[in-house]
Amino acid sequence: NAGVTQTPKFQVLKTGQSMTLQCAQDMNHEYMSWYRQDPGMGLRLIHYSVGAGITDQGEVPNGYNVSRSTTEDFPLRLLSAAPSQTSVYFCASSYSSLSAGASGGYTFGSGTRLTVV
Amino acid sequence: GQQLNQSPQSMFIQEGEDVSMNCTSSSIFNTWLWYKQDPGEGPVLLIALYKAGELTSNGRLTAQFGITRKDSFLNISASIPSDVGIYFCAGRVTGTASKLTFGTGTRLQVTL
Repeated sequence: NAGVTQTPKFQVLKTGQSMTLQCAQDMNHEYMSWYRQDPGMGLRLIHYSVGAGITDQGEVPNGYNVSRSTTEDFPLRLLSAAPSQTSVYFCASSYSSLSAGASGGYTFGSGTRLTVV
Repeated sequence: GQQLNQSPQSMFIQEGEDVSMNCTSSSIFNTWLWYKQDPGEGPVLLIALYKAGELTSNGRLTAQFGITRKDSFLNISASIPSDVGIYFCAGRVTGTASKLTFGTGTRLQVTL
């Protein structure tokens, strides 16, 4: 089924370890974003991309890197995991404009639940 | 960073009741979106609003884009148990269309 696919669904890391959260979409969306969700705080934007080769920082970018080598993929890298990065991470994608059939809203993946101990 | 203020934070209602929630911002948005999140899943888009004053329905859900462009409202009529979840508003600004600002969420629980 078309959509946003995130892997893994669950991950436990030790402090200081690094890892990459994978995100892929097959809807040919130009925009992709990473959010983290913490209790009582809604979703906060980490990094986003408006197209292949273009990325920018969101609200909470520290400790995370991204790259966008293709339209389909937008991996999120944790450089040196810290307990403060324990969260649920969502990848999302969207068309760039309100073209016919596009709602303007992002389509979200089902999330990666990350625990850093 | 800015987050939108959503109220109420949580609500318990009985099946069949109508529900209202709202979202306010200190900034103007050009697009308002309402999402629902079920446990263990990502948010799913319910309704998108593009013009101030716009009123849009999706089944039992109705949302409005506030005249000031700083608020939005979501109503659910005749609630059913599957309406349980967290509802988020989100705003989008022209010129920064790649970024959404989310509200803090309204947790809805429906009792029989």
